[in-house]
Amino acid sequence: QSALTQPRSVSGSPGQSVTISCTGTSSDVGAYNYVSWYQEHPGIAPKLLIYDVSKRPSGVPDRFSGSKSGNTASLTISGLQAEDEANYYCFSSAGIYTYVFGTGTKVTVL
Amino acid sequence: QVQLVQSGAEVKKPGASVKVSCKASGYTFSGYFMHWVRQAPGQGLEWMGIINPTDGYTKYAQKFQGRVTMTRDTSTGTFYMDLSSLRSDDTAVYYCASQEELRHWGQGTLVTVSS
Repeated sequence: QSALTQPRSVSGSPGQSVTISCTGTSSDVGAYNYVSWYQEHPGIAPKLLIYDVSKRPSGVPDRFSGSKSGNTASLTISGLQAEDEANYYCFSSAGIYTYVFGTGTKVTVL
Repeated sequence: QVQLVQSGAEVKKPGASVKVSCKASGYTFSGYFMHWVRQAPGQGLEWMGIINPTDGYTKYAQKFQGRVTMTRDTSTGTFYMDLSSLRSDDTAVYYCASQEELRHWGQGTLVTVSS
């Protein structure tokens, strides 16, 4: 099972929007509406931001939103803030009880 | 509230095995599947496998087939991940994470493999 493809890095100024793509195949991202996104700060366990493509857990700001089209899922961060500087990973179902992470994207706030 | 508390850091020699534990509390133990995920230094997250707490059914990532064993102890509410034939590139932080969407995470366990 190959990792989902994400851009290595994206950047934006405070207040801007950035979008991170997560490209898979018709066997994973394209096949299931089970795409999640996580925020990871170095040294701290990842935090769930989005699940089931576009649902937000309670406590996650609505600046974070998710979507999917075909084999590509996307995470958009609107109104970028300094504390959003982190690594972001997508995660998808890839079959019965089989899952795969994305390669990860570093978000830099300029 | 859901809590996943993992065992402490380990240092192992190449070829040895390591067993990491993850004690779950704050919810019905049989209610959620448990994933295991690892992150090597400077690298991304890697899914290792999943276990059903109700019947112990497991599914492992192909990469770890034959080297990893995931179990659970229903009497203590604890999950275990055993990785054998350790190599230097198994040096990583190992996490347990519950529910299909990895909603809750343990604090991580650093496993260092070094001669």
